[in-house]
Amino acid sequence: GDSVTQMEGPVTLSEEAFLTINCTYTATGYPSLFWYVQYPGEGLQLLLKATKADDKGSNKGFEATYRKETTSFHLEKGSVQVSDSAVYFCALKDDYKLSFGAGTTVTVRA
Amino acid sequence: EAGVTQFPSHSVIEKGQTVTLRCDPISGHDNLYWYRRVMGKEIKFLLHFVKESKQDESGMPNNRFLAERTGGTYSTLKVQPAELEDSGVYFCASSQVGHGSNEQFFGPGTRLTVL
Repeated sequence: GDSVTQMEGPVTLSEEAFLTINCTYTATGYPSLFWYVQYPGEGLQLLLKATKADDKGSNKGFEATYRKETTSFHLEKGSVQVSDSAVYFCALKDDYKLSFGAGTTVTVRA
Repeated sequence: EAGVTQFPSHSVIEKGQTVTLRCDPISGHDNLYWYRRVMGKEIKFLLHFVKESKQDESGMPNNRFLAERTGGTYSTLKVQPAELEDSGVYFCASSQVGHGSNEQFFGPGTRLTVL
């Protein structure tokens, strides 16, 4: 079945540091790929998505590129802020069902 | 417009007791999904409603879990009797008709602790 593997946390960074969270997937079809974020006390929010190979999703300074050849969708941000502290989930969707990774907790210190 | 809401936000119960979780989707969303995250692991799909009909309940762990969506509006997820391994965060999500490409909007989750 479909599955997602993302780097384990927690990750602790200083403000303005570079953030990367690795994500790889296994799927039988051609899924859409997503990054969701959960800020403290809130629900899951869609951060960005890509629906086909070589697509780049971007939002709030975050980027991820759908790499079919390496089955990856790594999340990057060039300069993080304290407000980026959250749990980040990589996910894929084949038809309607979302399959998530285990989540990576990111803490950004001032 | 209100987002997806879930009640309660946190529930602590004893093993063997019954708990009912509620989800109110975004108004007009026919698709409703339940997911859960156990022990800080990956979030897993439980089931999918289209209006009041169960389309896919392949992720339901066992027959101690019962989901309903009477009238096609809010949904409940009942766990009876609860076991220790049921502890986790239960998320609800909803999306519009034509769900294949539509975003799923998530609620804040219900944290269930079974002692």
